[in-house]
Amino acid sequence: AQRVTQPEKLLSVFKGAPVELKCNYSYSGSPELFWYVQYSRQRLQLLLRHISRESIKGFTADLNKGETSFHLKKPFAQEEDSAMYYCALSGSGFQKLVFGTGTRLLVSP
Amino acid sequence: KAGVTQTPRYLIKTRGQQVTLSCSPISGHRSVSWYQQTPGQGLQFLFEYFSETQRNKGNFPGRFSGRQFSNSRSEMNVSTLELGDSALYLCASSLEGATYGYTFGSGTRLTVV
Repeated sequence: AQRVTQPEKLLSVFKGAPVELKCNYSYSGSPELFWYVQYSRQRLQLLLRHISRESIKGFTADLNKGETSFHLKKPFAQEEDSAMYYCALSGSGFQKLVFGTGTRLLVSP
Repeated sequence: KAGVTQTPRYLIKTRGQQVTLSCSPISGHRSVSWYQQTPGQGLQFLFEYFSETQRNKGNFPGRFSGRQFSNSRSEMNVSTLELGDSALYLCASSLEGATYGYTFGSGTRLTVV
């Protein structure tokens, strides 16, 4: 079975501080990992995919198959980063997303 | 281009009734998925359709069903509504499936009283 764990419900940091949102997954096959973000009163949207190896809004995430992790990082948090962040897993053979429970990031001035 | 459109935005139904929710995907997207979002269970996968065929189904009772039309528009139906069906139902579309990343709609908020 596939599973995604986001251990932190809430992460509170000050503007300019580094941010790391943790995500661990469980899947025996070849995983595809995503980060989705939901800003206040907006719809859920794709932030980045591991397969793209891109940086979006200053955020990066590296897939570590040895540690089965896909942590989201940003060196300097901004107030506009405050949102709900969901890590999600898909894989070869199953066309669905398995979501973690989400982490609320709160960036204070 | 237009995003994923879900109708209606809000719905109030009585226990035992049935409900149909509609989703119009982004033009050209052939994969449509449905998710249920609740405070207690989070985001849970309901089913996924591709070119009118159901490819995947989540662990929901048979009261939950869906379909996809030739123009990729999709509907989901819940029969014999229960109080626990109250949730935000999200539709998402993609070119081919989850690998390409999904674009989500705003959702339909269903309240069962």
